[in-house]
Amino acid sequence: SAVISQKPSRDICQRGTSLTIQCQVDSQVTMMFWYRQQPGQSLTLIATANQGSEATYESGFVIDKFPISRPNLTFSTLTVSNMSPEDSSIYLCSGSTRGEQFFGPGTRLTVL
Amino acid sequence: SQQGEEDPQALSIQEGENATMNCSYKTSINNLQWYRQNSGRGLVHLILIRSNEREKHSGRLRVTLDTSKKSSSLLITASRAADTASYFCATDLRYGGSQGNLIFGKGTKLSVKP
Repeated sequence: SAVISQKPSRDICQRGTSLTIQCQVDSQVTMMFWYRQQPGQSLTLIATANQGSEATYESGFVIDKFPISRPNLTFSTLTVSNMSPEDSSIYLCSGSTRGEQFFGPGTRLTVL
Repeated sequence: SQQGEEDPQALSIQEGENATMNCSYKTSINNLQWYRQNSGRGLVHLILIRSNEREKHSGRLRVTLDTSKKSSSLLITASRAADTASYFCATDLRYGGSQGNLIFGKGTKLSVKP
């Protein structure tokens, strides 16, 4: 299984600012994804992080708001831009190998 | 839209009892995966069951898959207080341009009382 780490683990931010979350996997994975989990809710996919090219976004999520990079097979970043209190959530990255998908510990974001 | 729906939404049992959670889904899948999440923390991968499999075991966990009924169940035997968590099923779709991303159900909140 892949071991996935995220930084920061949590942050409290002011509205209008941006936060970049880093995700590192310990082995090469075929796919990397970013999910959001709003308070008391299930996980919703934001986008698939593609190595060396633009991420593939799900309906309701756009690149201007959630720019994503994946410069190599084991690292990706998600930026939450121009934050508002509605962006307060847990953001989780995941890596997939042979169909199994493993998750990082999540970044708990609170926007004031 | 949600693909998987867990049932029940909440389950409270005594330590030592078995816990059964069910998951139903709507479209054809490549595989179905079960996860555990403790109190707003990261997800722990429990079991992956592929569409051509009917049952898998891992320790005290047993997962079944019935593709004709589009449903899966997770059984935790001899439950412990440490099993208290939310459990999610997630489906990897066979069609619809899926790139292996998962669609999650709403989860079952399991409480095991000592």
